[in-house]
Amino acid sequence: DAGVIQSPRHEVTEMGQEVTLRCKPISGHNSLFWYRQTMMRGLELLIYFNNNVPIDDSGMPEDRFSAKMPNASFSTLKIQPSEPRDSAVYFCASSLEVAGGHEQFFGPGTRLTVL
Amino acid sequence: GQSLEQPSEVTAVEGAIVQINCTYQTSGFYGLSWYQQHDGGAPTFLSYNALDGLEETGRFSSFLSRSDSYGYLLLQELQMKDSASYFCAVRASYNTDKLIFGTGTRLQVFP
Repeated sequence: DAGVIQSPRHEVTEMGQEVTLRCKPISGHNSLFWYRQTMMRGLELLIYFNNNVPIDDSGMPEDRFSAKMPNASFSTLKIQPSEPRDSAVYFCASSLEVAGGHEQFFGPGTRLTVL
Repeated sequence: GQSLEQPSEVTAVEGAIVQINCTYQTSGFYGLSWYQQHDGGAPTFLSYNALDGLEETGRFSSFLSRSDSYGYLLLQELQMKDSASYFCAVRASYNTDKLIFGTGTRLQVFP
């Protein structure tokens, strides 16, 4: 199993540009999570999908952020327009949400730098 | 609000035992997980406690006391490779896998 795949691994962009982060969850998993990690704020859940449906987006910081999951094997997190304070590592994680299931598998992350 | 408190940093020497504590205040509780994250890496799952008591997995053990809203991760026979950040996380809802993560504890193991 390839694990959770994220792309790009690194992204450097200028303020005001659109940024799109991509995630392919583990095949068969039905839950997908987008997290943001910074030194100041730690690991924050941005949005959570179950069976491709957004369940909880209370962590999405503002309207500049949007996420989609058009099918079970692909999700995107978009920031438009980007700002320097969006600089962080963005992780995608997936899990198989069944009774007793509890482990989330994280991708390698995308390190975003907004200049 | 929801909060999980951990010490920010712990240091120890190789071969020693270290305990990382986690206290939580959440709207619901359905399990406490621990994740390890090396610098530059992704969090990886270590353990999960849904019921009170001790769970042992090799050199690592995790403990939970629901009445005290408290848990800990115990690392034995420390190795240099155990130097990493450790996060506790609470599953606050029964019918989802959504986790609330603690602030993380940075463990440094010295020779």
